[in-house]
Amino acid sequence: AQTIHQWPVAEIKAVGSPLSLGCTIKGKSSPNLYWYWQATGGTLQQLFYSITVGQVESVVQLNLSASRPKDDQFILSTEKLLLSHSGFYLCAWGGQNTEVFFGKGTRLTVV
Amino acid sequence: QQQVRQSPQSLTVWEGGTTVLTCSYEDSTFNYFPWYQQFPGEGPALLISILSVSDKKEDGRFTTFFNKREKKLSLHIIDSQPGDSATYFCAARGSSGSWQLIFGSGTQLTVMP
Repeated sequence: AQTIHQWPVAEIKAVGSPLSLGCTIKGKSSPNLYWYWQATGGTLQQLFYSITVGQVESVVQLNLSASRPKDDQFILSTEKLLLSHSGFYLCAWGGQNTEVFFGKGTRLTVV
Repeated sequence: QQQVRQSPQSLTVWEGGTTVLTCSYEDSTFNYFPWYQQFPGEGPALLISILSVSDKKEDGRFTTFFNKREKKLSLHIIDSQPGDSATYFCAARGSSGSWQLIFGSGTQLTVMP
């Protein structure tokens, strides 16, 4: 069975500080990977997707970047956090024509 | 336009009742429509999904209906339980070549015992 692990579970960071969030997918070879952002009480906004190692496509610009250093790993990062970056970050895996499954998410609070 | 409209924003039903959530869209290239259930502090969980070639899909107490002509879909929950209290999101994805899953605004469901 496939499992998706996100880390950290929660972060409290200062404005202007760097950020790195990650997720790992086990049990699925060459998954398509996605990053989503969700404001408190809001909908899910897709940020990035990756269909292969080393390739990442941006869906919306939020002063964030993503990388896929390994087949099973997806990293979300920024060098300078903004207050508007606060929210719930969700990693997901799936396929173009298949279902998409989400991780448990990382709660980010920027102060 | 790539937008998915969802209603109502919130809904309260009594235990044992039927819950009906609806979504509409405009982009005729959308052909895959999943519904997700999200509890506070957790990631969304795939509940049920339907392809545009079908008009109905059932999974236990959950049924999703799809009307291609009207560009509408709905989620029906029969015998609603307090444990069903959560936020429900519909979503849509286009045909081959689209990697984006577009979500509706969500419906917060409360099932009263």
